[in-house]
Amino acid sequence: DAGITQSPRHKVTETGTPVTLRCHQTENHRYMYWYRQDPGHGLRLIHYSYGVKDTDKGEVSDGYSVSRSKTEDFLLTLESATSSQTSVYFCAISYGGGSYEQYFGPGTRLTVT
Amino acid sequence: DAKTTQPTSMDCAEGRAANLPCNHSTISGNEYVYWYRQIHSQGPQYIIHGLKNNETNEMASLIITEDRKSSTLILPHATLRDTAVYYCIVRVADIYGQNFVFGPGTRLSVLP
Repeated sequence: DAGITQSPRHKVTETGTPVTLRCHQTENHRYMYWYRQDPGHGLRLIHYSYGVKDTDKGEVSDGYSVSRSKTEDFLLTLESATSSQTSVYFCAISYGGGSYEQYFGPGTRLTVT
Repeated sequence: DAKTTQPTSMDCAEGRAANLPCNHSTISGNEYVYWYRQIHSQGPQYIIHGLKNNETNEMASLIITEDRKSSTLILPHATLRDTAVYYCIVRVADIYGQNFVFGPGTRLSVLP
């Protein structure tokens, strides 16, 4: 299995509070991604990174920000959590762009009450 | 990216080959076919991918038709642990990391 960990694995938080999810990789892969998975929507891309300090938006980026100060860490921040952000969040990594496959982490289940 | 069509669900007897079909009739010449699976509550797991040639690895074989309009994922000897949702995805390979668009997939049940 690819060396990807996510923390925390489970979190319950209240509406309006900030939340940061962490993705850590030991593979030294250049690309990292954040997805969310909801019933009926499959996986949707939130943000991705193609290098340290290089990030771009995905299809559902509103309400989320990301940072990548080191190759191995990619942080996803919900500045002010809302109930619509209750979801399972997956991090993925890829060696490169082009045809390279992505490897996914175990996921973080976030509940916003 | 081209859309794919997969059966909603399939059953397979343990020890037999599982053949999962996928139609991608609008695939473009620069689009790859990828297969992933997701076991309940886990992250998606990469299985295999290809452009036009058949591919085989330790997990599965990928058979792509000559016109590339459809493909089949073959799990040669299915086990109970292969019960999962299987996703067929076609995706353009460009210079930037691009997201994978996961559709509803095929729910494979391996039966004892």
